[in-house]
Amino acid sequence: DAGVIQSPRHEVTEMGQEVTLRCKPISGHNSLFWYRQTMMRGLELLIYFNNNVPIDDSGMPEDRFSAKMPNASFSTLKIQPSEPRDSAVYFCASSSYLNTEAFFGQGTRLTVV
Amino acid sequence: DQQVKQNSPSLSVQEGRISILNCDYTNSMFDYFLWYKKYPAEGPTFLISISSIKDKNEDGRFTVFLNKSAKHLSLHIVPSQPGDSAVYFCAASRNGNQFYFGTGTSLTVIP
Repeated sequence: DAGVIQSPRHEVTEMGQEVTLRCKPISGHNSLFWYRQTMMRGLELLIYFNNNVPIDDSGMPEDRFSAKMPNASFSTLKIQPSEPRDSAVYFCASSSYLNTEAFFGQGTRLTVV
Repeated sequence: DQQVKQNSPSLSVQEGRISILNCDYTNSMFDYFLWYKKYPAEGPTFLISISSIKDKNEDGRFTVFLNKSAKHLSLHIVPSQPGDSAVYFCAASRNGNQFYFGTGTSLTVIP
């Protein structure tokens, strides 16, 4: 398996624009997580899906953030409108009930100017 | 509110010596604890874990200790090697769901 795949690796956008980050979890994994890495908060859990259903989105910072998981092999994290303070590295991770750890993608570095 | 805390943002250790990274948590319902290692421009990778029913788990040069009464865990690396230089994240979960991470500790092993 290729592991968790995220795209794009880097995204530079202007303030106010819509940004969509994409994630393909490891095949067979039933849980998917979106994290944001910042210096202040480390790896901050934004939202967690189980079997494609959002279970906990309490970490989503604002209504500008939304996430979907239309099927078991794809998820998106959307920011609309984007702001400079959204600049961070966003990670997607997946896990299986058969595993006890989460596997991470390589991340998307988002820069909002 | 940060449920998993790593109070040392950085640590420098001489090659061959022991590295000790610390982590504290607040939620007594956590039943599984993990350490991840992260190199620049890469995603975190799993390193070692421990269940709450144990107080120690060892894997080669890496040992994790868990003190449930103090809600504290630590990662020991012996002997430390330059390739161990990375950011280490502590994480905790409940029932294998919702992995909560700390802010990370940047370890530098000096040759």
